[in-house]
Amino acid sequence: GENVEQHPSTLSVQEGDSAVIKCTYSDSASNYFPWYKQELGKGPQLIIDIRSNVGEKKDQRIAVTLNKTAKHFSLHITETQPEDSAVYFCAAGYAGKSTFGDGTTLTVKP
Amino acid sequence: DTAVSQTPKYLVTQMGNDKSIKCEQNLGHDTMYWYKQDSKKFLKIMFSYNNKELIINETVPNRFSPKSPDKAHLNLHINSLELGDSAVYFCASSQPTGEDNEQFFGPGTRLTVL
Repeated sequence: GENVEQHPSTLSVQEGDSAVIKCTYSDSASNYFPWYKQELGKGPQLIIDIRSNVGEKKDQRIAVTLNKTAKHFSLHITETQPEDSAVYFCAAGYAGKSTFGDGTTLTVKP
Repeated sequence: DTAVSQTPKYLVTQMGNDKSIKCEQNLGHDTMYWYKQDSKKFLKIMFSYNNKELIINETVPNRFSPKSPDKAHLNLHINSLELGDSAVYFCASSQPTGEDNEQFFGPGTRLTVL
């Protein structure tokens, strides 16, 4: 089955700095790579996703890159704000199933 | 207009008891899931149903039994609760199409076993 590794487990940045979270996956059949943000006391919520035929996708301050050959993908958050503080999960999979990474706790210090 | 709802939000019970958590989605999705999130925030899939049929059953003790009366509902029944069952349980739903599988999560049920 799919195995997803996510790094780092915790990340602390100063407001305005950039944050990068990296994930690797094992199953070459995976073709869907979403990122979820989980705020305290809430369920995870999709913030951006990328499909296997795309190398990069951007949505305002967040971007995701995918390297299918190396089986890794990354989340980039620029100009971080205190409200970006949350747990972020990457996932890899295909229709019907996604395997989640272990999460990254991001803290943005004002 | 809650998309995925769960009840109860909090559940405190004694070891050995049997309890149920209910989940409903009003998104018209065919696929529903149960996840367990432990104290370290790890999110692990337990079950997945597609149109009331079980399609994913990860290594979960037999004490856990999902039930899907219709495709909008997926309930989780837990027998003989143990201390290690304490966690936050999330229900989710999706409508997998082609490569897409965005999952919509409920607010979670925090289960505490004493």
